[in-house]
Amino acid sequence: RKEVEQDPGPFNVPEGATVAFNCTYSNSASQSFFWYRQDCRKEPKLLMSVYSSGNEDGRFTAQLNRASQYISLLIRDSKLSDSATYLCVVPGYYGGSQGNLIFGKGTKLSVKP
Amino acid sequence: SQTIHQWPATLVQPVGSPLSLECTVEGTSNPNLYWYRQAAGRGLQLLFYSVGIGQISSEVPQNLSASRPQDWQFILSSKKLLLSDSGFYLCAWSSLGGFRDTQYFGPGTRLTVL
Repeated sequence: RKEVEQDPGPFNVPEGATVAFNCTYSNSASQSFFWYRQDCRKEPKLLMSVYSSGNEDGRFTAQLNRASQYISLLIRDSKLSDSATYLCVVPGYYGGSQGNLIFGKGTKLSVKP
Repeated sequence: SQTIHQWPATLVQPVGSPLSLECTVEGTSNPNLYWYRQAAGRGLQLLFYSVGIGQISSEVPQNLSASRPQDWQFILSSKKLLLSDSGFYLCAWSSLGGFRDTQYFGPGTRLTVL
């Protein structure tokens, strides 16, 4: 299994739809996870952190399944402004002082009117 | 609040020319600093990270180098650019370290080597 693996998409959905992305990871010792959002030709920006079983922030819900080693991101009531690439991020190793992160290649979302 | 700056925003350089990209961080002390490269259609690749002044770790062999002359300053350099050095260069910082570390990115430098 690759360190971090995501479906590259693209996911093309209409406004108002619910869409879910999955991400699998190989390091079973990983304790925290992140979803970043990257707009075209821009830097990645932190969307959500996931430290326990999940996290919810408005229309966005992240869930963690440690047994199966995957995390998911659910977006409800999609907006045009949600169109972006979503990066799944996992720590390279547990407890390291440098805090190196492993970035997935991203899942591209396109929300259409 | 913390801010991170990178410059230049865009750069076009000929093969064999030198390179110097600068990253500065404000509003935090002793941050961990990182240089990433994102090639077209590919994921982020960690190039270098630094936990303090003068402390540089390299993740991949390459013709690039990094330096940290000040706590708030991180520089990416090359003596002779290759075509394969083209890409989107991102600087990031983090403060906590450990497994709860979150990294925050600068606006990036888009480098094209011709």
